[in-house]
Amino acid sequence: EDKVVQSPLSLVVHEGDTVTLNCSYEVTNFRSLLWYKQEKKAPTFLFMLTSSGIEKKSGRLSSILDKKELFSILNITATQTGDSAIYLCAVEAGTSGSRLTFGEGTQLTVNP
Amino acid sequence: DTEVTQTPKHLVMGMTNKKSLKCEQHMGHRAMYWYKQKAKKPPELMFVYSYEKLSINESVPSRFSPECPNSSLLNLHLHALQPEDSALYLCASSKHPLQGGPYNEQFFGPGTRLTVL
Repeated sequence: EDKVVQSPLSLVVHEGDTVTLNCSYEVTNFRSLLWYKQEKKAPTFLFMLTSSGIEKKSGRLSSILDKKELFSILNITATQTGDSAIYLCAVEAGTSGSRLTFGEGTQLTVNP
Repeated sequence: DTEVTQTPKHLVMGMTNKKSLKCEQHMGHRAMYWYKQKAKKPPELMFVYSYEKLSINESVPSRFSPECPNSSLLNLHLHALQPEDSALYLCASSKHPLQGGPYNEQFFGPGTRLTVL
């Protein structure tokens, strides 16, 4: 059974801090790893990673994948209160090509 | 148009009611999904449609009946639900692998918050 584990499950920081969120996985036929941000409603897409060692960057957010060690990290620098959300890691695996397995998520709270 | 829309936003129903959730996208995606999300939990896949045909059913009880009438629409028909079925129901769409290009990104709708009394 495919498995995606995120840590920490919950994190409280102050504005301006840098945070690192972790995602490890054990899946058969890995295809890609995706990061989503979920506030009150639907998850919104952040990054898709398919190759090891290539950093994806968008503003203060960046992410990298290590396919040898089977994990990914999501970094957020200079955090703001608007970054408060649940960050979901999902892995696409298998031969069907369209099934995502989600981790439990990391609840990030950024205090002013 | 990169939006997935869902109606209704909120739904309260009794255990004997029949209702339907609707999802629509106009991005030309040929893969569409239903997820169920309970509070403080990640989305759980329920169904996947590929080119309007049901390709994955994650052992969902028959009181949930999906339908894909065309390439833009996805419905979830609900009948004789239980209170434990109360959750946020998310629809998503993506390119199908046969469409080429990056297909892994799933676009989510805002969800329908369902309460079963």
